[in-house]
Amino acid sequence: EAQVTQNPRYLITVTGKKLTVTCSQNMNHEYMSWYRQDPGLGLRQIYYSMNVEVTDKGDVPEGYKVSRKEKRNFPLILESPSPNQTSLYFCASSYWTSGQETQYFGPGTRLLVL
Amino acid sequence: AQKVTQAQTEISVVEKEDVTLDCVYETRDTTYYLFWYKQPPSGELVFLIRRNSFDEQNEISGRYSWNFQKSTSSFNFTITASQVVDSAVYFCALSEAYSSASKIIFGSGTRLSIRP
Repeated sequence: EAQVTQNPRYLITVTGKKLTVTCSQNMNHEYMSWYRQDPGLGLRQIYYSMNVEVTDKGDVPEGYKVSRKEKRNFPLILESPSPNQTSLYFCASSYWTSGQETQYFGPGTRLLVL
Repeated sequence: AQKVTQAQTEISVVEKEDVTLDCVYETRDTTYYLFWYKQPPSGELVFLIRRNSFDEQNEISGRYSWNFQKSTSSFNFTITASQVVDSAVYFCALSEAYSSASKIIFGSGTRLSIRP
């Protein structure tokens, strides 16, 4: 079954404690990206990756890091989380075929930073 | 700068009615991509469509259709014969290159409620 998995699904942490949200896809997609969703601010892109070792900043990259060492994984790293990073996070992967794109999202990770 | 405007914050219609969700965008690029996404009450995000800026042909997929008009910078989404399962928040988005894995910005979303 084609899927994008995220772990953990829910996380409560404290300010400054480094954390990683994993994202993995089993479809061999080249493209992956991270988003956050906040009430009143909507969906915003954090980082994206067009292939292994190729990443770039989205709209709101501050306070986040990513890596793309292998095609299937695209972890989101919060080196020193702060309360303003409390949010719902989505990972996605996508592919092109015959000029059409299809995108798959992970189930989301709800993060609370105290 | 890029901008996506979904002026309709909330729409409520009775089942079987047709409903159109508006999306207006701003970009200086000549090549760009437009997207629609659905977020049902369960919270997951569902990709619906991507449209290239050089392809103004309307798209139809079952009860869903999309009308792309460069002249008015709009990419509207119509649901025909709406059903309760169509109740969701719908987001329009714009990317200036390649795909959803390029830099992308979203509209604020339209909450659609379909009443039985």
